[in-house]
Amino acid sequence: AQSVTQLGSHVSVSEGALVLLRCNYSSSVPPYLFWYVQYPNQGLQLLLKYTTGATLVKGINGFEAEFKKSETSFHLTKPSAHMSDAAEYFCAVKIGGSEKLVFGKGTKLTVNP
Amino acid sequence: GAGVSQTPSNKVTEKGKYVELRCDPISGHTALYWYRQSLGQGPEFLIYFQGTGAADDSGLPNDRFFAVRPEGSVSTLKIQRTERGDSAVYLCASSQVGSGEQYFGPGTRLTVT
Repeated sequence: AQSVTQLGSHVSVSEGALVLLRCNYSSSVPPYLFWYVQYPNQGLQLLLKYTTGATLVKGINGFEAEFKKSETSFHLTKPSAHMSDAAEYFCAVKIGGSEKLVFGKGTKLTVNP
Repeated sequence: GAGVSQTPSNKVTEKGKYVELRCDPISGHTALYWYRQSLGQGPEFLIYFQGTGAADDSGLPNDRFFAVRPEGSVSTLKIQRTERGDSAVYLCASSQVGSGEQYFGPGTRLTVT
């Protein structure tokens, strides 16, 4: 069965610093990969997705992620953190003909002034 | 346009009672999904509808959980004989099949006392 592992349940960065949130997946077939952001008491908002084609994907709010098949990874990055980036981030995978998303446990990002 | 809406936003019920949670998807979206998010966890898939029919209900934890989508739009998640372990945020999402993008509602926070 497919699974998603997010390393680090909590990540803390300073404002202006690089943000790196890690995601690894397990799948025997090429997956679709997603990053969602969840602000307190709100639903999930799609940040970016990888389906096929270019492995470097750009999303909203300056975030991007790179699909690395050899490493089975889809890490999320942003060059310069902003206070408004403080939220919980979820990596998710969709495999083959299944329509359901399998989510990681999430990483809570704190941005310090 | 309007996003996915869910009602109620909060529901407190006593153990053993019956509850219904409602989801209004984005207009025109043929696919609808229910997920459950427990504290400190990522969302877990419950059921997926394509039109009026449940295409995948493999995530429903037991026969106390049931969902319907009679006209292919609004969906209701029904939980019988609620247990304290059912306490969670229930998320609904909708999408166009094949788009790979699921749009989430704000969720219903269910508390079973």
